Amino acid sequence: NAGVMQNPRHLVRRRGQEARLRCSPMKGHSHVYWYRQLPEEGLKFMVYLQKENIIDESGMPKERFSAEFPKEGPSILRIQQVVRGDSAAYFCASSSERADTQYFGPGTRLTVL
Amino acid sequence: AQSVSQHNHHVILSEAASLELGCNYSYGGTVNLFWYVQYPGQHLQLLLKYFSGDPLVKGIKGFEAEFIKSKFSFNLRKPSVQWSDTAEYFCALNSGGYQKVTFGTGTKLQVIP
Repeated sequence: NAGVMQNPRHLVRRRGQEARLRCSPMKGHSHVYWYRQLPEEGLKFMVYLQKENIIDESGMPKERFSAEFPKEGPSILRIQQVVRGDSAAYFCASSSERADTQYFGPGTRLTVL
Repeated sequence: AQSVSQHNHHVILSEAASLELGCNYSYGGTVNLFWYVQYPGQHLQLLLKYFSGDPLVKGIKGFEAEFIKSKFSFNLRKPSVQWSDTAEYFCALNSGGYQKVTFGTGTKLQVIP
């Protein structure tokens, strides 16, 4: 699971700015998942992507949040016009085509001032 | 809808004590069950998983878990904890063929030397 890379590890933004979080899946994995962990809470599913496709975005807030996983390059979770309530740890996970087990990255801790 | 309950939010044990962390889930169909661990400042690591077969699953670092279908439970156990087991433990599930993982709220384990 050390193969899932996320950057940056820590991100500080002021209210109204944009946050871009990157995730490079483990080598050979084509499925990416994003989760959010709020303080004192468990991880909540946000979105599930395969290359160039959003498969399930049922956990994504309806506004300001978007995700992509282009043919080339990392998956991006984008949060526009951040608010204090967006402060959380955002974890990316990846899995293989069999997609039975997800392996997690180190997370990006977003702080909104 | 699937859900996972971890009733113990914070557990404190002395070294060499035995550990059992409760996990109950709610879902009517086939499930895959997981325990993840998050050591302080680190990302989630997979401890063990159950897909099918022997309901007693052995994982890394001496942990094991037992799937009891009739009780919708997947409790985590370790006969003798060490200080290095201090971490947060998450029970999780996904339903067969569907990739979204649902996490419990986590149990923080503190082992006192």
